[in-house]
Amino acid sequence: AQKITQTQPGMFVQEKEAVTLDCTYDTSDQSYGLFWYKQPSSGEMIFLIYQGSYDEQNATEGRYSLNFQKARKSANLVISASQLGDSAMYFCAMREGREAGNMLTFGGGTRLMVKP
Amino acid sequence: GAVVSQHPSRVICKSGTSVKIECRSLDFQATTMFWYRQFPKQSLMLMATSNEGSKATYEQGVEKDKFLINHASLTLSTLTVTSAHPEDSSFYICSARPRTIQGARYGYTFGSGTRLTVV
Repeated sequence: AQKITQTQPGMFVQEKEAVTLDCTYDTSDQSYGLFWYKQPSSGEMIFLIYQGSYDEQNATEGRYSLNFQKARKSANLVISASQLGDSAMYFCAMREGREAGNMLTFGGGTRLMVKP
Repeated sequence: GAVVSQHPSRVICKSGTSVKIECRSLDFQATTMFWYRQFPKQSLMLMATSNEGSKATYEQGVEKDKFLINHASLTLSTLTVTSAHPEDSSFYICSARPRTIQGARYGYTFGSGTRLTVV
């Protein structure tokens, strides 16, 4: 079974509108971390936001927020006020277990295209 | 903040030759480096985990004799693609282990990636 599932291979959003990128995960660990990364065409991985499994509040970082629904095992990324520069691939990732150094497992990604 | 420098950013090599990719942590000690491969329009797949001073741990299906990983120091990890073939053409990217759970909240530090083309 896939550990991280991103069901939207591609999405369009109008500039200045909000968009939600879906992510569901599968783990039996009680302690885990969820990450979102942005990958522009240059290939670099840009960290956006982190949610720990024990965090009671949804994470927010500027225009990015993470809608964490633990019971549903979903960690959707919400981007508010989309900008043209937000056009990129977005990856959801999970670190299982309590160890900081555990590997990340990535979802298949969502290509976001912002229309002017 | 933590920076991982990865070189080269792009490389084109002839089939049958070897290519070395370096990841260097510039302002911190990376005890563990993760090496990922990303084919076009696909996700990042973990190839191996390298720990300083010990042998790398390879994921299932990754040939350890073809993808040689060396992590001889706390600031340098290298991936050598030996006897490269066109099917090895891919984007290779390294990622350093956060030292603490608190540090992990700020994301794992990635190199900028290497686009390998084997002709």
